[in-house]
Amino acid sequence: RKEVEQDPGPFNVPEGATVAFNCTYSNSASQSFFWYRQDCRKEPKLLMSVYSSGNEDGRFTAQLNRASQYISLLIRDSKLSDSATYLCVVNDYKLSFGAGTTVTVRA
Amino acid sequence: EAQVTQNPRYLITVTGKKLTVTCSQNMNHEYMSWYRQDPGLGLRQIYYSMNVEVTDKGDVPEGYKVSRKEKRNFPLILESPSPNQTSLYFCASSGPRNYGYTFGSGTRLTVV
Repeated sequence: RKEVEQDPGPFNVPEGATVAFNCTYSNSASQSFFWYRQDCRKEPKLLMSVYSSGNEDGRFTAQLNRASQYISLLIRDSKLSDSATYLCVVNDYKLSFGAGTTVTVRA
Repeated sequence: EAQVTQNPRYLITVTGKKLTVTCSQNMNHEYMSWYRQDPGLGLRQIYYSMNVEVTDKGDVPEGYKVSRKEKRNFPLILESPSPNQTSLYFCASSGPRNYGYTFGSGTRLTVV
């Protein structure tokens, strides 16, 4: 089993829609989690950390479910500029990356 | 500006010809790491360094070498590149606790 698994998508949504996707991790002792955003073949950039109680950053909401070992990202009121690949990252002393979930927002 | 600088951005080389990809950061970060990214496989760690003169293997170290003689630099060396090392490579650095990795712009390597 991979350390971090993501639905690759693509999620194809219209502008203004809400899109959500999950990421599962294998190590129950994992302590910290992040979402990174990667535009086509460019470097990943930190989008947000994921806190145990869940957290929001503008239109983005991240949740952690330790019992089921998954984290989620929800994007509200999608913009064209949200089109990207979203990487789930688990910090177990070293960072383990998921393969990414591709989101395409259409006009 | 805080950044991680990788060079070159693009490189096409032939099998067996030694090459070095440079990586430099200006944030005084102790932790640096190299990743390769292949379609469907995500980012896989090649080598990492916790500090000067301290390096260790990641998940896919075969065929690569690194060095960390200075805090700011962390070059990736391919002594004898092979076609299966064709990939997109990223260097990254971070402060304490691996929070907030900063990535370089990437090096697209093709080995023919």
